[in-house]
Parts: sequence; structure tokens; C-alpha cells
Amino acid sequence: EVQLVESGGALVQPGGSLRLSCTASGFTFSDYEMNWVRQPPGKGPEWLSFITMSGRITYYADSVKGRFTISRANAENSMYLQMNNLRVEDTAVYYCATSGYGTGTLFDSWGQGTLVTVSS
Amino acid sequence: EIVMTQSPATLSVSPGERATLSCRASQSLGSNLAWYQQKPGQAPRLLIYDASTRATGIPARFSGSGSGTEFTLTISSLQSEDFAVYYCQQYNNWSTFGQGTRLEIK
Repeated sequence: EVQLVESGGALVQPGGSLRLSCTASGFTFSDYEMNWVRQPPGKGPEWLSFITMSGRITYYADSVKGRFTISRANAENSMYLQMNNLRVEDTAVYYCATSGYGTGTLFDSWGQGTLVTVSS
Repeated sequence: EIVMTQSPATLSVSPGERATLSCRASQSLGSNLAWYQQKPGQAPRLLIYDASTRATGIPARFSGSGSGTEFTLTISSLQSEDFAVYYCQQYNNWSTFGQGTRLEIK
């Protein structure tokens, strides 16, 4: 059974940094492209970032480009999201999700999410 | 950016009845459209992809149709566990989601 567990969410001040982790189990992690998706309170989801199986190629939504960095460690079955220069509007539940059915931004399996709150 | 517009915002339907949810894209997607279900406190769950293909384990009462800019999710004979928020998502050009339709018990 595919399992994704996010961690690292916290309360942080505007301008601060945070690193989220996603730990995978139940499948061959290195065979899957991965994504980060967030969902602000009461709103729809928003795709943030994509990473290929090897980790060599990454893409970002304009809203986080230059501030967030996605990475992965296949030997540890883990993916990360380094978030810098956080803004109040970055407040959301952050999910990691697998790319499904051979399509990069079709989100097949999701973790339970981790809450990031940006506030002074 | 492709804008996804869902209607209605809230849909009230009785158990056992049919529900029809709509999604419109600001530009043509071909068939690169998915539907997700989300219950309170849970992550979204993939229901339909490629506009009309059910994801693994999704019951046959869920069906999707449409192409281009107009899409529909139909749930025949609503069960109690189907009352939730539904999102459409385009993946033709990266990804954007609609604002959601809340399906509530009438």
C-alpha cells in the first residue's frame, strides 16, 4: 500500500524559512515522479513543484519560484521542500503527491498533509 | 495560466438521486482533466482522469465526460459517503484546480 507522510510544518514568522519532508513507503519511490501541492484554508489545492525520478529536473509554480526548492533522496525514500522568504499567503496545508498514470501533474496518491502557518 | 471554473458552488441532492457537477476551462484542455473528491480533514482523492477514466478502485457510479473546455462529473444514485467537496483539475499545462463544488445532503 502506498503511504506518504509529510512532516516539518510549523508556525513561522514572515520572512522565515522551513523545510518540509515527505517519507514514502509501500512502493518503489525511485520509480515515481513527485510533486508538492498546497491548500490554503477553505480554498482549492494549488500545485507548487514537480521533480523527476532522478531529481535532476524540477519545475515550480510562479508563486514560489525563486523561494522554494524541491529535492529528493531516493536512497532514503524521501522528498523535501525548502521554503525561504515565507509570506503570510503561504499559509496552507502542504501535501506531497505521486505523479500518476504516466502524467507529471496528475496526482495519484497523497499524504495526509502538514500545516504551515506564516504569521507574526 | 488556465483558469478552471466550477458550478454550482454548492449542490443539494437527496441520497439515491443523481448529481451533475460542471467544470469549464479558460482554454482547450483536450481530455487532460481530472476530478478529485475531498472530505473534511482528508487529502483529495483522485476519482477520474483523462476526463472519463475512473481511477483504480473508484465505483462505477462515478463517471466523467467532456473535452475541450466543458466537462461534467456525474454521480448516479448518491450514497452517504459521496457527500464531499469535488475539485476539477487541468493537467494540460502544468496544473490548476477549480474552486470546488460542495455536494451536500438535501
